[in-house]
Amino acid sequence: NAGVTQTPKFRVLKTGQSMTLLCAQDMNHEYMYWYRQDPGMGLRLIHYSVGEGTTAKGEVPDGYNVSRLKKQNFLLGLESAAPSQTSVYFCASSSGKPQHFGDGTRLSIL
Amino acid sequence: DQQVKQNSPSLSVQEGRISILNCDYTNSMFDYFLWYKKYPAEGPTFLISISSIKDKNEDGRFTVFLNKSAKHLSLHIVPSQPGDSAVYFCAASEEGAGNMLTFGGGTRLMVKP
Repeated sequence: NAGVTQTPKFRVLKTGQSMTLLCAQDMNHEYMYWYRQDPGMGLRLIHYSVGEGTTAKGEVPDGYNVSRLKKQNFLLGLESAAPSQTSVYFCASSSGKPQHFGDGTRLSIL
Repeated sequence: DQQVKQNSPSLSVQEGRISILNCDYTNSMFDYFLWYKKYPAEGPTFLISISSIKDKNEDGRFTVFLNKSAKHLSLHIVPSQPGDSAVYFCAASEEGAGNMLTFGGGTRLMVKP
């Protein structure tokens, strides 16, 4: 019963470095989402996908890219990390409502 | 401008009493509302939801009320238990928007034994 799995759980980067966060779901869900959580601001949608091979921008997409090459995986990329991207990142998947979340990736940019 | 707001960052309640968490929204196109519960170092977990065609939905100790005219929803927990201590997020979505959710900022509930 893995559900939604995010890797890595923690990461520290230097400004300008790049990295990819991986999200995998085993529930055969069509929809997948990437959020960031910052204090007092709840979860804000970065990008989402309504199916394999599709992606769309959410509320705060700048500085991030995504890919959905396989139905079960949704990758979030930071090409050139900035301190403003220090946050906790959550991936979610759904076949409708509600969305099911992973346990998050805590990312610090120095 | 936040479309979903939880104006109380924190709430403290005695065990056995009622906890009432509030949420306001501004987008009249929202037609489905959810509450999530989040423990530290874990992802949010779905708690209860309500469609805009209803004004109340109940699941055990948890009841969600929706007042569409006031664009307000609330979550009632009765009786509150120490294990309910967590951050609660309300979220809203509109039909056909890719099932996207718009979240409030969260309310930290502390239930004291």
